[in-house]
Amino acid sequence: AQTVTQSQPEMSVQEAETVTLSCTYDTSESDYYLFWYKQPPSRQMILVIRQEAYKQQNATENRFSVNFQKAAKSFSLKISDSQLGDAAMYFCAYRGNAGNMLTFGGGTRLMVKP
Amino acid sequence: EPEVTQTPSHQVTQMGQEVILRCVPISNHLYFYWYRQILGQKVEFLVSFYNNEISEKSEIFDDQFSVERPDGSNFTLKIRSTKLEDSAMYFCASSERSGSYQPQHFGDGTRLSIL
Repeated sequence: AQTVTQSQPEMSVQEAETVTLSCTYDTSESDYYLFWYKQPPSRQMILVIRQEAYKQQNATENRFSVNFQKAAKSFSLKISDSQLGDAAMYFCAYRGNAGNMLTFGGGTRLMVKP
Repeated sequence: EPEVTQTPSHQVTQMGQEVILRCVPISNHLYFYWYRQILGQKVEFLVSFYNNEISEKSEIFDDQFSVERPDGSNFTLKIRSTKLEDSAMYFCASSERSGSYQPQHFGDGTRLSIL
């Protein structure tokens, strides 16, 4: 079974600075998909960024980018120019090539200091 | 932007009672999901639903649980005889198509408290 681990329960960053949230996963599959979701205090999880395992190029969405290291089974999220609105729980999630089930990590609470 | 909506936001139920959690997925979405998050634990997959039948379910989704799309817009999760350990946040999600790259869109969740 796949597992997803987020080793940082909490992180804080100064506004306008850069922060990296870590995620590792365990799988025997070669083809899969990885996601980062953001859950603000209003509770709805919102997709931030996604990565296909067969793509070597790291995904980027504006200030959000990932560092995908397939051999190391690592999928970290970098937030550049952090804003107060980035404060939220961030969940890393894995999805295999068959089926639609998402496997989540335990989450990282990001605090942004003004 | 279209959203997945869930009602109620908070449900309090006596142990042993039946509870129905309701979700309205995004209108053109065809795949529906339930997840739950027990306080302090990970978000866990329960079930996925397509074309009026369950397509995938986890070990958590036992005979006490059922899902239904009763009227073409709502998607419900029923727990037949609730237990204390069913207390959790329940999230509904939907996606437009299948395929592992398709994003799932989540609702705000329903907090279920079993007394």
